[in-house]
Amino acid sequence: GQNIDQPTEMTATEGAIVQINCTYQTSGFNGLFWYQQHAGEAPTFLSYNVLDGLEEKGRFSSFLSRSKGYSYLLLKELQMKDSASYLCAVRGNNAGNMLTFGGGTRLMVKP
Amino acid sequence: NAGVTQTPKFQVLKTGQSMTLQCAQDMNHEYMSWYRQDPGMGLRLIHYSVGAGITDQGEVPNGYNVSRSTTEDFPLRLLSAAPSQTSVYFCAIRDREFYEQYFGPGTRLTVT
Repeated sequence: GQNIDQPTEMTATEGAIVQINCTYQTSGFNGLFWYQQHAGEAPTFLSYNVLDGLEEKGRFSSFLSRSKGYSYLLLKELQMKDSASYLCAVRGNNAGNMLTFGGGTRLMVKP
Repeated sequence: NAGVTQTPKFQVLKTGQSMTLQCAQDMNHEYMSWYRQDPGMGLRLIHYSVGAGITDQGEVPNGYNVSRSTTEDFPLRLLSAAPSQTSVYFCAIRDREFYEQYFGPGTRLTVT
């Protein structure tokens, strides 16, 4: 089975940096994903890590350590529009390589 | 939402009623899946398909049926609706060769 943990809620200030952590325990590993989901909308893809290290994409970066079962999403220069839920998901070795999601972290950005 | 459509957007059912949630794609992706999202529980996989004629169960399949007769369509059937099936349902697609998964806009279902 798979178990994915992330904080339920976080609050940060506009212009600041925030790090959202995700820890996982899986029976197989084929990559870790981060999705952004605004209230009432569908999740949208942010990042994908399959090897250890940092992947940077504009204001967003994602880090993976497979040996520690740990990832984080780093958001820089926070904007009000970054207020959303951030979902950590792991692709295992099951047929179809479907994603297993954590409960999501609701980020509130304050002025 | 990247060529994935879901209908209806909203639905209210009475306990015991049956209905079908529709999902259609125009991207010719082989993989299609259904998730439900409940507060604090993230997205949970109900059923998935790796191609026409092939379906399999996910984490929470009870009370739901699926079929995949074409590449484009992947309907989700609720056999006898229960209040525990009140949720937001998302359909997702993925190409076999690529990692990115696209989600449809969702169907918000309430069972009273």
